[in-house]
Amino acid sequence: AQRVTQPEKLLSVFKGAPVELKCNYSYSGSPELFWYVQYSRQRLQLLLRHISRESIKGFTADLNKGETSFHLKKPFAQEEDSAMYYCALLYNQGGKLIFGQGTELSVKP
Amino acid sequence: DAGVIQSPRHEVTEMGQEVTLRCKPISGHDYLFWYRQTMMRGLELLIYFNNNVPIDDSGMPEDRFSAKMPNASFSTLKIQPSEPRDSAVYFCASSLVSLLNTDTQYFGPGTRLTVL
Repeated sequence: AQRVTQPEKLLSVFKGAPVELKCNYSYSGSPELFWYVQYSRQRLQLLLRHISRESIKGFTADLNKGETSFHLKKPFAQEEDSAMYYCALLYNQGGKLIFGQGTELSVKP
Repeated sequence: DAGVIQSPRHEVTEMGQEVTLRCKPISGHDYLFWYRQTMMRGLELLIYFNNNVPIDDSGMPEDRFSAKMPNASFSTLKIQPSEPRDSAVYFCASSLVSLLNTDTQYFGPGTRLTVL
């Protein structure tokens, strides 16, 4: 079955520390994965997608098919990175996304 | 474009009452999604439409929930009768499937529903 797992509900780090938000997936086909972010009092929005291989706000994510993972990383966390992060798997070309449970990132000063 | 618009932003109702949530997708988008967000279950897809036609409603929790999309610019999610366990934030999202960008979903601000 298709599934996205984010094992950490809450991740707390200090400003300037590296951060890694974990995401594992289960999917029989060729996966397309995304990270969405929800800042406080704002709407959920796309952060990055693996096919773009881009870096947004200093975040990167590499798809590891062997480990079925798509962890989100940033070398130096900033306070403004504090938000809820969701990993998502594209289930079909119709745009159906399967979201993980979400990880709340808290960056302390 | 104002993005995806949802109304109301907050709804407080009593158990047993009918609740109707509304969504206006981004103009030109051909997919519309309804999600529910709770602390326990995270973000769950309830139903989605393509060109106003429901494609997958397997996430709709039970018969008390129904969704319609009478035209390309409007959709409703109805709960009748509502129960306290329906309390959650309900999001609407839309997307445009194209060769260049198949699946970025644009979310509305959500409706925070509280059923007493």
